[in-house]
Amino acid sequence: NAGVTQTPKFRVLKTGQSMTLLCAQDMNHEYMYWYRQDPGMGLRLIHYSVGEGTTAKGEVPDGYNVSRLKKQNFLLGLESAAPSQTSVYFCASSYYEGSQPQHFGDGTRLSIL
Amino acid sequence: RKEVEQDPGPFNVPEGATVAFNCTYSNSASQSFFWYRQDCRKEPKLLMSVYSSGNEDGRFTAQLNRASQYISLLIRDSKLSDSATYLCVVNRGTGFQKLVFGTGTRLLVSP
Repeated sequence: NAGVTQTPKFRVLKTGQSMTLLCAQDMNHEYMYWYRQDPGMGLRLIHYSVGEGTTAKGEVPDGYNVSRLKKQNFLLGLESAAPSQTSVYFCASSYYEGSQPQHFGDGTRLSIL
Repeated sequence: RKEVEQDPGPFNVPEGATVAFNCTYSNSASQSFFWYRQDCRKEPKLLMSVYSSGNEDGRFTAQLNRASQYISLLIRDSKLSDSATYLCVVNRGTGFQKLVFGTGTRLLVSP
């Protein structure tokens, strides 16, 4: 049972390039989330999804887009990468929101030069 | 004021010591509380949920004080492997009940 899997694990981009981060979960969870973690800031929610075909903005959505075409997958896109998007990105999933703990992938370390 | 506040530490303790962390939260409507553990350059992992009556899991005890809006984590008989950052996590209680993560308290257990 893999849980939550993120790809890639590491990536270096140049300013203005685009890329997509993939998150896959095999726990049949309804809810999926994308966070970024920066030193001293804690985890901040970028976007989330409450089910297949639905997405919503979190607290720091600017510069990112997401899609949830299949229940098990949640994609995070950077259309035009900026140095401010250098961060560690974590995907998480849960059965329901709020009262249920979230299960995290092992992260993607992204550097924008 | 941050929604969830933690002392960043580090807390330096010897093996076998007892250590406690507190975390305060600002939203009185919060209903769910958790402690997560995060090792260096790893993902957060659920350590334990925090229940109203307090709960224990082996060497770990969590307490909730709704009146003062704080939760605590007590670690007894600290092990070297307990060295990590401990994240306090609270849900917002209304609307889409997103979890709010504290910035963490770092624990270093030394031989």
